[in-house]
Amino acid sequence: DTAVSQTPKYLVTQMGNDKSIKCEQNLGHDTMYWYKQDSKKFLKIMFSYNNKELIINETVPNRFSPKSPDKAHLNLHINSLELGDSAVYFCASSQGSGGHTDTQYFGPGTRLTVL
Amino acid sequence: GQNIDQPTEMTATEGAIVQINCTYQTSGFNGLFWYQQHAGEAPTFLSYNVLDGLEEKGRFSSFLSRSKGYSYLLLKELQMKDSASYLCAAMDSNYQLIWGAGTKLIIKP
Repeated sequence: DTAVSQTPKYLVTQMGNDKSIKCEQNLGHDTMYWYKQDSKKFLKIMFSYNNKELIINETVPNRFSPKSPDKAHLNLHINSLELGDSAVYFCASSQGSGGHTDTQYFGPGTRLTVL
Repeated sequence: GQNIDQPTEMTATEGAIVQINCTYQTSGFNGLFWYQQHAGEAPTFLSYNVLDGLEEKGRFSSFLSRSKGYSYLLLKELQMKDSASYLCAAMDSNYQLIWGAGTKLIIKP
């Protein structure tokens, strides 16, 4: 069984389009995250949700909007895509109780290419 | 500010031992994580240290010195499949992970 899943795995789209990436975890975790990893491989936190509530919202353009319908899902919607949005986007989850239980488990990633 | 430093790239020989260092500066500290990331794949958890000392897990060991803001990941009996990036991440007082840029480890036969 896949612990953290994301769809789609690859996304190629034109500048200016709107797209969504879906994430689901079946680990029973309370906290979910979205990360962006650019070509330099640096992982940058974008958002974090705990039990459907936003707890981390880093400096990210407001074209990016997360939505958490329940604690097992955290989707990422991106409006008016730009060339600089091209990257790999990782979803992750953790138990969120502090310490070792905060080990984050990552989804397979979504490679977004904006043309 | 909060910061993680680790070497960009290291090269080692199959069967040898390699040590990847990481220094961190965070607002508070709730533990140090090491992750492995193969090219084109997701990061996977390797180890967690919150107390000073060495944690051994098979061929991989991780060490932490809280007073020095320092950790290392030790890989023994290197195999070709160990070629990957190794990410160091420190958890701050808000339980937020601060990530390093990763160390790309190249294993040569």
